Amino acid sequence: DAGVIQSPRHEVTEMGQEVTLRCKPISGHNSLFWYRQTMMRGLELLIYFNNNVPIDDSGMPEDRFSAKMPNASFSTLKIQPSEPRDSAVYFCASSFSPGGGYEQYFGPGTRLTVT
Amino acid sequence: GIQVEQSPPDLILQEGANSTLRCNFSDSVNNLQWFHQNPWGQLINLFYIPSGTKQNGRLSATTVATERYSLLYISSSQTTDSGVYFCAVGTSGTYKYIFGTGTRLKVLA
Repeated sequence: DAGVIQSPRHEVTEMGQEVTLRCKPISGHNSLFWYRQTMMRGLELLIYFNNNVPIDDSGMPEDRFSAKMPNASFSTLKIQPSEPRDSAVYFCASSFSPGGGYEQYFGPGTRLTVT
Repeated sequence: GIQVEQSPPDLILQEGANSTLRCNFSDSVNNLQWFHQNPWGQLINLFYIPSGTKQNGRLSATTVATERYSLLYISSSQTTDSGVYFCAVGTSGTYKYIFGTGTRLKVLA
């Protein structure tokens, strides 16, 4: 398996622009997670989906952030409008969660810089 | 919410040395993973270990769930072991993981 795939790997954008990050989970996995990593706050869970349904978005910082999972093999995280404080590494992870224990697998991350 | 503490925060070793990293958590957990974040930023799965002991080459891990801690052992360390080691835990009824603040390891040649 190719693992979790994220694109782009690096994104540089100007404040106010829309940013869309993409994720393809591991085939057969039914849970998908978006995390953000910064020096100040470490690794934070933003939102997670189970069977394509958003289960908990309490970590989404504000209304400028939105996430979708239109099907089992694709998810997007959108920031509109972007701000310099959104600069971070955004990770997507997936797992197979049959209701019991599970193991998360992380993608390579997208390094976002907002100037 | 559950608190996850890792110690030590920083560790410098000479190549070939052994080390023990600790993860304490404040509540019962159903899921626990150890990750290695390498200098290129990749998060690599080391162990999924909500309880018991596992070994993989020079690495091993033990979780004592009743006492709310997990240990990661690195033996005969190599420079490629450098990076940050994270413990992440999840509790019953949720798929969420809470990450510790990590142990930053530097192995000197």
